[in-house]
Amino acid sequence: QKEVEQDPGPLSVPEGAIVSLNCTYSNSAFQYFMWYRQYSRKGPELLMYTYSSGNKEDGRFTAQVDKSSKYISLFIRDSQPSDSATYLCAILGGAAGNKLTFGGGTRVLVKP
Amino acid sequence: KAGVTQTPRYLIKTRGQQVTLSCSPISGHRSVSWYQQTPGQGLQFLFEYFSETQRNKGNFPGRFSGRQFSNSRSEMNVSTLELGDSALYLCASSLSRGLENTEAFFGQGTRLTVV
Repeated sequence: QKEVEQDPGPLSVPEGAIVSLNCTYSNSAFQYFMWYRQYSRKGPELLMYTYSSGNKEDGRFTAQVDKSSKYISLFIRDSQPSDSATYLCAILGGAAGNKLTFGGGTRVLVKP
Repeated sequence: KAGVTQTPRYLIKTRGQQVTLSCSPISGHRSVSWYQQTPGQGLQFLFEYFSETQRNKGNFPGRFSGRQFSNSRSEMNVSTLELGDSALYLCASSLSRGLENTEAFFGQGTRLTVV
């Protein structure tokens, strides 16, 4: 079993819809949670960085962490075709120290 | 503020050769980490350097090595290249003053093709 599980998709939604992405993790020692967006042939771009359970909002993006369930989510409101990309969750902490453990990524396609 | 710079962007090498990739972190960042990204395995951690010392290492063979210079720039080297080493190699930099300052910013990557 992988330490971080993420549905690979693809997830296809119409423009303007809410995109809902999630990851589950197995190690309760993980402390910090990040979401990255990666366009084809580019490096990952940091979208959200959060520590505590609860919600964190930044513009159209909301990150949600539920440490009791070991479940993290990313919501994208009013999705745009430019949001079409692969979204990766990454988790940090515990014995792994500064090593980021990534989910496999979810490919999202927002159709105009 | 300049981002993470990786050079070269693309490389084609032959099996058995060696290769050196370079990464310049964001100014002021002292931690540099390297990751390998492949379609099958996703993003996998190679190693992390902080103040010229390797602080963490992933599960890769000894053919993969790295170093960090006093100006925080880092290089990674792969010797005796194999076809399976074809991948996007990504470098990430962070302030790394404690875990709460470990937001990692990635470069565009070096795409290595081994033929």
